[in-house]
Order: sequence, then C-alpha cells, then structure tokens
Amino acid sequence: GESVGLHLPTLSVQEGDNSIINCAYSNSASDYFIWYKQESGKGPQFIIDIRSNMDKRQGQRVTVLLNKTVKHLSLQIAATQPGDSAVYFCAENNGDGGSQGNLIFGKGTKLSVKP
Amino acid sequence: ETGVTQSPTHLIKTRGQQVTLRCSSQSGHNTVSWYQQALGQGPQFIFQYYREEENGRGNFPPRFSGLQFPNYSSELNVNALELDDSALYLCASSPGQLSGNTIYFGEGSWLTVV
Repeated sequence: GESVGLHLPTLSVQEGDNSIINCAYSNSASDYFIWYKQESGKGPQFIIDIRSNMDKRQGQRVTVLLNKTVKHLSLQIAATQPGDSAVYFCAENNGDGGSQGNLIFGKGTKLSVKP
Repeated sequence: ETGVTQSPTHLIKTRGQQVTLRCSSQSGHNTVSWYQQALGQGPQFIFQYYREEENGRGNFPPRFSGLQFPNYSSELNVNALELDDSALYLCASSPGQLSGNTIYFGEGSWLTVV
C-alpha cells in the first residue's frame, strides 16, 4: 500500500548544529507534502510545505527538499536550538485529487538537541 | 496558536460507551478533518467535512461518525467504544478542500477507554 516512512526514528544533535530529518514516500501521485513538529502533549504544528512542482522551499531556519526521482523528502533545520526538540512528521497528500484533508503521516522522527 | 480549538482536552470512558468530541475551526476555514493518533504513531485520517458534508473517509468503521455545522465547527462521535480507541483525537481545519491549502491542527482530545 501507499505509505510515508522515515529513515531514522531518533536524531540527536548538538545545539547550534544543523539537523537533517529524512522521509521516504511511495505514492508517486502525491502532489503536496508538509512537515509538522509535535511537542509532547500537543497537536502537530505546521512548519513548512512544498508542492510537487518544486524541489526546494525555504522558511525561517528551515528548508524542505523534495526529490521526486527517488521519492525522498528532507527537512533541514539550521542552527538547531533546544526549543526544536520534538517529534517531526512528514505528511503527504494522498493524491486522489479531492479530499486534501487526507494526509498520510509517517511514524515520526524524534529530534533531541543537546545543550 | 492555530485558532483550532478542541474539547474536552482529556476524558475517560468505559468500554461500550459513546463519546462526542468537539472542534471549532480557524476563522474562515470551511473544511475540517479528524485524525486518530495512537501513542508513538503518526496521525491517521478518519474523515473530512466540507460544507457540512462528509468528503472523504479513512479506514475506520461506521461507529466513527461526524457532523459539521453551518458555522463550520464539527463533532466526532464514536459509539461502542473499544479499548483500542484510546488515543489522541486531532481536529484539523483548512480554508478549502483541495490540495495545497495549509492544514492546521488543534491540540487534541485525549481519550482513554477502560
């Protein structure tokens, strides 16, 4: 079946370093991808999104890269801070052209930032 | 703050009971989706409502039902609760039903079934 997965379940980085969180997807029809950050006990927080007609998009301290050839998505966080510690999910639109609320999530990567 | 509010934040129910969870969407958002998130997992799509009609459903049984009201707020109802229904239930709203509209989540309702 179609699924979104993550290469690494946990990632530990030093404060100030850059973080890279990876995600693989399998639905070639997906046309919209989102990264969410979820802190303990809270709902997912939108970070950045990208459409399939783009390969890179930048936000404040974050960059999302999309490689459609290998169906790979990554989130880069520059100068990682302790407040970035959370679980990060990538999600894809299921590509059915209709209900865009039907996002498929991976299991998440837990990012821990060491001071 | 996303402007998506959910209630209650926590509740405990007994197996076999029924539960209603509520969601107020962000102002101007006419599309509401519900997700179930089990501990340690990613959210799973339950269904979406657009202009008071169900507009897409995930792999959940009919005892999961919903409503959307004219003001775009929404309810999730679960009948005949099972232990495996224990999870965080997330409501998400967006300004439209089509792909590319940013989807914002509320903080969720924690349901424990005993």
